[in-house]
Amino acid sequence: IAGITQAPTSQILAAGRRMTLRCTQDMRHNAMYWYRQDLGLGLRLIHYSNTAGTTGKGEVPDGYSVSRANTDDFPLTLASAVPSQTSVYFCASSRTSGSVTDTQYFGPGTRLTVL
Amino acid sequence: EDQVTQSPEALRLQEGESSSLNCSYTVSGLRGLFWYRQDPGKGPEFLFTLYSAGEEKEKERLKATLTKKESFLHITAPKPEDSATYLCAVPGNTPLVFGKGTRLSVIA
Repeated sequence: IAGITQAPTSQILAAGRRMTLRCTQDMRHNAMYWYRQDLGLGLRLIHYSNTAGTTGKGEVPDGYSVSRANTDDFPLTLASAVPSQTSVYFCASSRTSGSVTDTQYFGPGTRLTVL
Repeated sequence: EDQVTQSPEALRLQEGESSSLNCSYTVSGLRGLFWYRQDPGKGPEFLFTLYSAGEEKEKERLKATLTKKESFLHITAPKPEDSATYLCAVPGNTPLVFGKGTRLSVIA
């Protein structure tokens, strides 16, 4: 069982380009999340999905969009990348959302540099 | 506003020198507190969940405790392989609100 996979591992992108970060989980978890991690700011939630077909905004959603067509996949799209989106992006999943017992499990991350 | 504050930001220990990391939080109606370990270049790895004040959990050299306003991660006789960033998080206005972490270095 792989858990959560993310692709690509790293990417250098020109400003203004469109980019989709991929996330797939094989744990049949209902909830999935996207975070960005920046030095000095910690992990911040971008978007989340409680179940397939639904999405919600996190703390820093501007400039990002997500979709949840099925249980396993949760892609994050930057429609027109800007240098401030340079960061490490982590995808996570949990069995459900809102329950005190549900642990979030994280993928290995995607390091994105926007020039 | 939900807040999670971790201290110290960085901690350097000699191998075998025990210490504690602190995580304080301001959320209404605590629904659990999570501790993670993160190694450089990797995603956070789950360590513990604590649900109520007074609860304790242990794993190898780590013991996590919880009070009504804070949690401690006690590290007993640490080894160099315990070097990592330790994150705590609580459910809040977003599914999890994370602290900025404590970067632990254990020197042989």
